Amino acid sequence: TQLLEQSPQFLSIQEGENLTVYCNSSSVFSSLQWYRQEPGEGPVLLVTVVTGGEVKKLKRLTFQFGDARKDSSLHITAAQPGDTGLYLCAGLYFNAGGTSYGKLTFGQGTILTVHP
Amino acid sequence: KAGVTQTPRYLIKTRGQQVTLSCSPISGHRSVSWYQQTPGQGLQFLFEYFSETQRNKGNFPGRFSGRQFSNSRSEMNVSTLELGDSALYLCASSSTSGRAGGQYFGPGTRLTVL
Repeated sequence: TQLLEQSPQFLSIQEGENLTVYCNSSSVFSSLQWYRQEPGEGPVLLVTVVTGGEVKKLKRLTFQFGDARKDSSLHITAAQPGDTGLYLCAGLYFNAGGTSYGKLTFGQGTILTVHP
Repeated sequence: KAGVTQTPRYLIKTRGQQVTLSCSPISGHRSVSWYQQTPGQGLQFLFEYFSETQRNKGNFPGRFSGRQFSNSRSEMNVSTLELGDSALYLCASSSTSGRAGGQYFGPGTRLTVL
């Protein structure tokens, strides 16, 4: 059973501050996805990273995939109140046959609150 | 393109009843996955269907079942409901079951079991 650890669980910061959320596993990811979820809604896909060492940027959000494909981070620059929400990392792992199916393993999530 | 739709959005049932939830994926998406989200356990994978075949299954009891139709629409069924089945049930679709594809989630069905 693959375990995906996400930290921190809670983050409360002031507008304009920077923050980083981490996602770690003891197993190699086939790919990793980051989502943001608002109360009462489904998660919204932010990014998918596939290649070790990959860095992707989405406005003020920077996503990094570890070289060994066992960890990832999400960095937000100059956080704004609109960034408030639940951030989730989710990994696809290879199964015994080497093929990755649509079974995402989710971290427990990071609840981010950005105060004006 | 319309997003993933789920019906109903809210459902209240009593213990022992059964329930069927429906999911319509994004047009052209052939993979549909189901997840259960609770405050204590977070998001947990239930099963995935691709071209009407169940390709993967999570660690849930046999009371949880699903199916996919030829138009890729999917349903999940929970029989003999228990209080612990109260959760947000999420459906996600993707255009490929490969590693590079992201999954796109619907708004979920909030199930309350009394």
